[in-house]
Order: sequence, then C-alpha cells, then structure tokens
Amino acid sequence: QSALTQPASVSGSPGQSITISCIGTSSDVGGYNYVSWYQQHPGKAPKLMIYDVSNRPSGVSNRFSGSKSGNTASLTISGLQAEDEADYYCSSYTSSSIVIFGGGTKLTVL
Amino acid sequence: EVQLLESGGGLVQPGESLRLSCAASGFTFSSYAMSWVRQAPGKGLEWVSSISGSGGSTYYADSVKGRFTISRDNSKNTLYLQMNSLRAEDTAVYYCAKVLLRGYYYRGFDYWGQGTLVTVSS
Repeated sequence: QSALTQPASVSGSPGQSITISCIGTSSDVGGYNYVSWYQQHPGKAPKLMIYDVSNRPSGVSNRFSGSKSGNTASLTISGLQAEDEADYYCSSYTSSSIVIFGGGTKLTVL
Repeated sequence: EVQLLESGGGLVQPGESLRLSCAASGFTFSSYAMSWVRQAPGKGLEWVSSISGSGGSTYYADSVKGRFTISRDNSKNTLYLQMNSLRAEDTAVYYCAKVLLRGYYYRGFDYWGQGTLVTVSS
C-alpha cells in the first residue's frame, strides 16, 4: 500500500488561510470517512487535529477544518498564526485493514 | 491525565531482537485499542501495528509482518512490541499511541508517548 500524497511544503502569511491536500485512492481516502490529520512540531510527538475527515477533538482550535472530495482529503487552517508552523500528516484507514500516512507537509508561516 | 511512557529502545545489530514497552495511565487501558507508529530520522510517520483492547485482534504493516509482534498486558496497563530480525530500515523513533474512539483502531490517535529511539546498525 503506497503512502498518501501530500505536497512537500506550503506557506502563508499570518492571518491568511492555507489548504493542504492529501491524495489517496478509492481503497483508502475515497472509500472511507476515516481520514485523520496530525500536527508535529520539531522534536515533539504528533498531535491529532482532525479525525473522521472533519471532526475536531476537544481542545483543537476551530481555525482547523477538514474536508474530503472523492479520493482527496484537505486540511484548511484559517487565520494563520506563527505557532501553526509545523509538519502536517494525513492518515487513512484502508481496505487492507491497515492505516497509512501521507508523506507530510511542512507549513511555513512567512 | 493520560500518560504514555515508552521504553526499551537502543542500539542493536542487524538480525537482533528488541522489545519495546509502553506504560499507560490516566484512562481505562483495556477499553481502548493501542498502536505503534514509527518515524525514521528526518522522515514521515509510518503506522506499524495496532491491537484491540482485549488483545484478541492484531494488525500489522506489511513492512513488519512476520517479524514484529504486538501484545498487551491489561493487568499491568502496558503495551509491547517485540521486534525480531531487525533491519537497518527499522531505525526510527517508535511512538505508542492511544486510539481516540473505543472499538476503532483506525479512527485517530489522540495521545502519543514521547517516543523511544531504535537504532539498527553494525
């Protein structure tokens, strides 16, 4: 099972909105509403930001939102802040009963 | 407060074995599936394995199937990963992670340990 496809990097200025895409197949992203997104700062453990495509765990800012269309999931961060600068990973359940991650996207806040 | 504390990492030679442990606290351990996720130096996240709350169901990535064994001791609130026939490509920080929702090992990992580094090198 190949990893999900994410852009290597995205950037935005404070206050702007950015979107990170996560491209899979009908056997993973497109076939199930079980896409999650994680934020990881350097040297730290990942943090769950979105689960089941668009749900936010308790405590996660509503500036973070998720969506899905076909085989592509997206994470949107609005009102970009300096502390949002981090690596972001998507993951999905697959028809093989395994979990796969995307390659990760480095977000730079200009 | 949920806490996950991994241990057991270290430097081993190719072909050797290692067992990782993850001590959990702050939640009803036996009610939740648990997982191991690894991250090679400078690389992305890779799901390794998951186990149901009872321990009766296990799941593995193809890259470790047949070499790694996940298990748990609910009486000790501890998760394990037995790693055999280790290869250089197994070098990574290994995180244990708690699943968000009871009964579903794949719908998000809401708590992570600090990770333990496994280095496979001669």
